[in-house]
Amino acid sequence: EVQLLESGGGLVQPGGSLRLSCATSGFTFNSYAMSWVRQAPGEGLEWVSSISAFGGTTYYTDSVRGRFTISRDNSESMLYLQMNSVKAEDTAVYYCAKQKTGTATNFDYWGQGTLVTVSS
Amino acid sequence: QTVVTQEPSLSVSPGGTVTLTCALSSGSVSTNYYPSWYQQTPGQAPRTVIYGTSTRSSGVPDRFSGSILGNKAALTITGAQADDECDYYCVLYVSNGIWVFGGGTKLTVL
Repeated sequence: EVQLLESGGGLVQPGGSLRLSCATSGFTFNSYAMSWVRQAPGEGLEWVSSISAFGGTTYYTDSVRGRFTISRDNSESMLYLQMNSVKAEDTAVYYCAKQKTGTATNFDYWGQGTLVTVSS
Repeated sequence: QTVVTQEPSLSVSPGGTVTLTCALSSGSVSTNYYPSWYQQTPGQAPRTVIYGTSTRSSGVPDRFSGSILGNKAALTITGAQADDECDYYCVLYVSNGIWVFGGGTKLTVL
């Protein structure tokens, strides 16, 4: 059974940093692209970032490029999102999502999400 | 900037048929955009309904179908049931690793 479990969310001040983690199991992690998708309170889903299976290629939405870094540890089946210089508009539930194969394929499994609140 | 548009809300009677659509701000949606659809109930993670335009995800009832209708991607529910009431999101692969979600459709079954 595919399982994705996010952690690392919490309250962070504007301009601060936070690292989200996603522990995965139930599939061959290094064979699949992975992504982060977020959802601000009361709002819709927003794709944030994707990373290829071996980690060599990364993509970001414009609003986080240069501030967020996606990475993965294939030996530990872990996905990460390093969030720097956070802003109030980064407040959201962050979901880890497995992609069906590569970064151009759909998100087939989702974690339950971790809440990030940016506030002073 | 690419914008993906969905109907903000729709309603359907139990047993009825409803079509949700997913449009691009510039141009037509085709299979090359790999449209997919997700259900979400409040407080829960999204669940995949349709991917690759028309493939149902495992366990999804066959009353859900995906297609291209005109210049939009479409999700049709035939024989709607009460537990289909939730938010539906489409997402399109617009270019080089970039995905854009629509704003979501709140479906009411009444």
